[in-house]
Amino acid sequence: AQRVTQPEKLLSVFKGAPVELKCNYSYSGSPELFWYVQYSRQRLQLLLRHISRESIKGFTADLNKGETSFHLKKPFAQEEDSAMYYCALSPLSGNTPLVFGKGTRLSVIA
Amino acid sequence: SAVISQKPSRDICQRGTSLTIQCQVDSQVTMMFWYRQQPGQSLTLIATANQGSEATYESGFVIDKFPISRPNLTFSTLTVSNMSPEDSSIYLCSVATGTGGDIQYFGAGTRLSVL
Repeated sequence: AQRVTQPEKLLSVFKGAPVELKCNYSYSGSPELFWYVQYSRQRLQLLLRHISRESIKGFTADLNKGETSFHLKKPFAQEEDSAMYYCALSPLSGNTPLVFGKGTRLSVIA
Repeated sequence: SAVISQKPSRDICQRGTSLTIQCQVDSQVTMMFWYRQQPGQSLTLIATANQGSEATYESGFVIDKFPISRPNLTFSTLTVSNMSPEDSSIYLCSVATGTGGDIQYFGAGTRLSVL
């Protein structure tokens, strides 16, 4: 079964501190992994995807197939990073919706 | 990318009534989905809206309660029927072009309160 686990419901860090939002997945094939973000009163939007291998707003995420993880990292947190973050998985074949984790709320404290 | 317009943005409804939510996309998309999100909580997939055929519902959701229409590749509606206060939630439309591993785009949501 496909499953995405985000073990932390809430993560609080101080401004300027490193951030790591954890995501583990369960899938037998080769998935595409995503991080979505939802800022207060805004729609859910894509932050990054592992295929792109890019850094968005200072965030990066590396797919570790051995550990089945796709943790989201940023070296120096900013107040504007405070939001809800969702990890999501999609099979690389077939027309199926994304499987979302339960989300982690990041709170960056000034 | 895809631009999604969802209407209404919010509504307050009486118990026992029904509300139809519309989702319009600015381009043809293969896949359209409907989600429910409690404020500050995660997403729960209600159903996949299939063009030209009946929607595919997830466990715990039934057609009689959440009828869905998908008349073409750019439009879908979700109706919340015979509402109760437990139906108070944010309802989200989402689309994807349908190739495996594709990005999903989301509407701004409909915030529903049932009194």
